[in-house]
Amino acid sequence: GQNIDQPTEMTATEGAIVQINCTYQTSGFNGLFWYQQHAGEAPTFLSYNVLDGLEEKGRFSSFLSRSKGYSYLLLKELQMKDSASYLCAVRGVGGGATNKLIFGTGTLLAVQP
Amino acid sequence: DSGVTQTPKHLITATGQRVTLRCSPRSGDLSVYWYQQSLDQGLQFLIQYYNGEERAKGNILERFSAQQFPDLHSELNLSSLELGDSALYFCASSKIGTGVSHTIYFGEGSWLTVV
Repeated sequence: GQNIDQPTEMTATEGAIVQINCTYQTSGFNGLFWYQQHAGEAPTFLSYNVLDGLEEKGRFSSFLSRSKGYSYLLLKELQMKDSASYLCAVRGVGGGATNKLIFGTGTLLAVQP
Repeated sequence: DSGVTQTPKHLITATGQRVTLRCSPRSGDLSVYWYQQSLDQGLQFLIQYYNGEERAKGNILERFSAQQFPDLHSELNLSSLELGDSALYFCASSKIGTGVSHTIYFGEGSWLTVV
């Protein structure tokens, strides 16, 4: 089976740093993705980890520990526009060349002034 | 703009009816995915096609079907619609393989309201 867990909601202050955690249990693993989704809009790709460690991309960083089934997304210098849902997704190992992503339910982040 | 095009953007229809949602993948992407997002649920994987063939199936109802045509566009057919089918339906596309270059990119979605 596959299970991906994230906190449902988080609140943070403009200019601060926030860490959104994701734990996963999947039958196979071929990469972990983070997407940002504003209400009613398409998810947009933020980051990708397949090896253990930290990947940094501007104000956003993502960390992966495969042995612990754990990832986090770190957002620095928060801006009001960062208020959105953040989706953790795992790409499994499947036969027949499938790249499908399995998503967690997402973390709704509210950035306050 | 992800390069994935979906039509229609909004659709209102009655219970029992049938609708077709259309998707054009990004240029060069052979794989198309369909996801459903309801208010109380996250993104649920429905089905994947690769170069015209079904590759993976998720929690897709028997009332739903999809296909991918030779020009690589895809259609999702929803029939005998129920109120609970009201949701945002996303199409996504990717190249096949591992690595960040094979990231899945999403279209803007089709809002379906069943009344």
